[in-house]
Amino acid sequence: EAGVAQSPRYKIIEKRQSVAFWCNPISGHATLYWYQQILGQGPKLLIQFQNNGVVDDSQLPKDRFSAERLKGVDSTLKIQPAKLEDSAVYLCASSLIRLADTYEQYFGPGTRLTVT
Amino acid sequence: AQTVTQSQPEMSVQEAETVTLSCTYDTSESDYYLFWYKQPPSRQMILVIRQEAYKQQNATENRFSVNFQKAAKSFSLKISDSQLGDAAMYFCAYRTSGSRLTFGEGTQLTVNP
Repeated sequence: EAGVAQSPRYKIIEKRQSVAFWCNPISGHATLYWYQQILGQGPKLLIQFQNNGVVDDSQLPKDRFSAERLKGVDSTLKIQPAKLEDSAVYLCASSLIRLADTYEQYFGPGTRLTVT
Repeated sequence: AQTVTQSQPEMSVQEAETVTLSCTYDTSESDYYLFWYKQPPSRQMILVIRQEAYKQQNATENRFSVNFQKAAKSFSLKISDSQLGDAAMYFCAYRTSGSRLTFGEGTQLTVNP
């Protein structure tokens, strides 16, 4: 079974530029998550999709961050314009929906963003 | 709001020895799930072990086991017979049914040969 794929692995941009990250979840996984992990901290959920719809985006800075999930499969996270404090690793994860609600989230390798 | 606290930023252990990583959490819920994730330098988060709060029996996965103390809101991870490949950042995490996963700050584990 192929894992969660993310690209690019690394990105360096200047502040005020825009950037986009791509995520391809495990086949058949209905739920997709984007996390932001600042150096030295645990991951923080930015947005959760259930198929095409947004379930939770309460911690997404909507003035500069946006995300979409095309046809309930791949997803793109965009930052425009970027700020220095956006430097972090952006992790994508996916999971099945199971009635027992003990589903496991499978994580991708992440994209390390550096804003200079 | 639920919080997860890992009070040990760094821990070290000798190869083949046993180490325990601490985690406490704050919640008013009675039904929830607790997790330990491992994040090696490759950055990929890997689930190590999971505990359902309604289960009294502590979860075990090979060399990894937990000490779940529900009343004390404590969830520690014990790694037995430590191996060099266990070196990583370890995150404790919490969620209730339908809620987001909340992570602690992490504990960096070093395994000395």
